[in-house]
Amino acid sequence: QRVTQPEKLLSVFKGAPVELKCNYSYSGSPELFWYVQYSRQRLQLLLRHISRESIKGFTADLNKGETSFHLKKPFAQEEDSAMYYCALRGDYGQNFVFGPGTRLSVLP
Amino acid sequence: EAQVTQNPRYLITVTGKKLTVTCSQNMNHEYMSWYRQDPGLGLRQIYYSMNVEVTDKGDVPEGYKVSRKEKRNFPLILESPSPNQTSLYFCASSQNRYSGANVLTFGAGSRLTVL
Repeated sequence: QRVTQPEKLLSVFKGAPVELKCNYSYSGSPELFWYVQYSRQRLQLLLRHISRESIKGFTADLNKGETSFHLKKPFAQEEDSAMYYCALRGDYGQNFVFGPGTRLSVLP
Repeated sequence: EAQVTQNPRYLITVTGKKLTVTCSQNMNHEYMSWYRQDPGLGLRQIYYSMNVEVTDKGDVPEGYKVSRKEKRNFPLILESPSPNQTSLYFCASSQNRYSGANVLTFGAGSRLTVL
């Protein structure tokens, strides 16, 4: 089990589209998550693939062929600036595995 | 309120003085885990536990111990802290189901400084 996030830091201007990349390696059927940490706050769940929902304008689609779970938002807001972690959990009884994180900075 | 509680939130200590960071959850979760967060290194797992009396090493277990004698508590023990253990520590818990309910809930974090 491994999760990679190629960008340590991503800077975009307000109103621009944003995509945070996440790739994973796992042979079975994983559960994929995005967690977010705003300044001086605890980590919190942003969204998970099984919910197939949009949270704060963010969406993420699980692409099993490309083993990716990229996080997207069409129009970034300054309040989106935060640390974002992609995480994976394998089958029942498996550990959670986190990627190294991407710091998103939305510039005015 | 469903939550994960860590104590202390802030601690300054000296090299070699044993300390324990407590973690408690009130959600009857089977899975619990400890992480440290350092600038530029992201979140790294120290130890995790699938259930009572079941613990396993994460990516950076050296210098740490844990125990899981009861379901709600998962203390992190630093037997002889060193300055390289200065970090922000997070505890988290989750149910351990086949699917659907396995969402990690995090504590507020414990900032530890070892002089």
